[in-house]
Amino acid sequence: GENVEQHPSTLSVQEGDSAVIKCTYSDSASNYFPWYKQELGKRPQLIIDIRSNVGEKKDQRIAVTLNKTAKHFSLHITETQPEDSAVYFCAASNAGNMLTFGGGTRLMVKP
Amino acid sequence: DVKVTQSSRYLVKRTGEKVFLECVQDMDHENMFWYRQDPGLGLRLIYFSYDVKMKEKGDIPEGYSVSREKKERFSLILESASTNQTSMYLCASSLKGGTYEQYFGPGTRLTVT
Repeated sequence: GENVEQHPSTLSVQEGDSAVIKCTYSDSASNYFPWYKQELGKRPQLIIDIRSNVGEKKDQRIAVTLNKTAKHFSLHITETQPEDSAVYFCAASNAGNMLTFGGGTRLMVKP
Repeated sequence: DVKVTQSSRYLVKRTGEKVFLECVQDMDHENMFWYRQDPGLGLRLIYFSYDVKMKEKGDIPEGYSVSREKKERFSLILESASTNQTSMYLCASSLKGGTYEQYFGPGTRLTVT
């Protein structure tokens, strides 16, 4: 089955700096890669996703890149703000019904 | 506004008890999921259901069973709770297929003593 690894497990940045979280996946048939954000005490929510026919997708301060050859994808957050502090999860799906999640990254943005 | 609710936010049970966790969604979603969330391990899939009375095992089904008698409701059952099942349990739902957003419930923090 699919295996998704996520790095780093914790990331601390200064407000205004950029943050990058990286994930690798094992199943070359995977074609959908969402990112979820979970604020403290709250439920995970989808923030951005990318499909395998696209190399990059951007939504305001967040962007995701995908390298299918290397089987890795990354989340980029620019101009970080304290409200970006949360746990971020990457995931991969091969268009079956299931998502496989990475282990999560705790992002801390220091004011 | 999409809504996934879970029967309890916090639950404390004793070892050996039978535990029921319930999840209800009001979005007419075909898929429903039960995950377990532990620090550093992400979200691990226990079971999912793609239709009424249909279920498939996820990555960690041992010690758990599920029931889906109605489209909107998906139950997770711990037949005989053990201390290693102390965890946060999250329910989610989505449209059919693996490329649609999953909507999560608020979670149930289960402690087994």
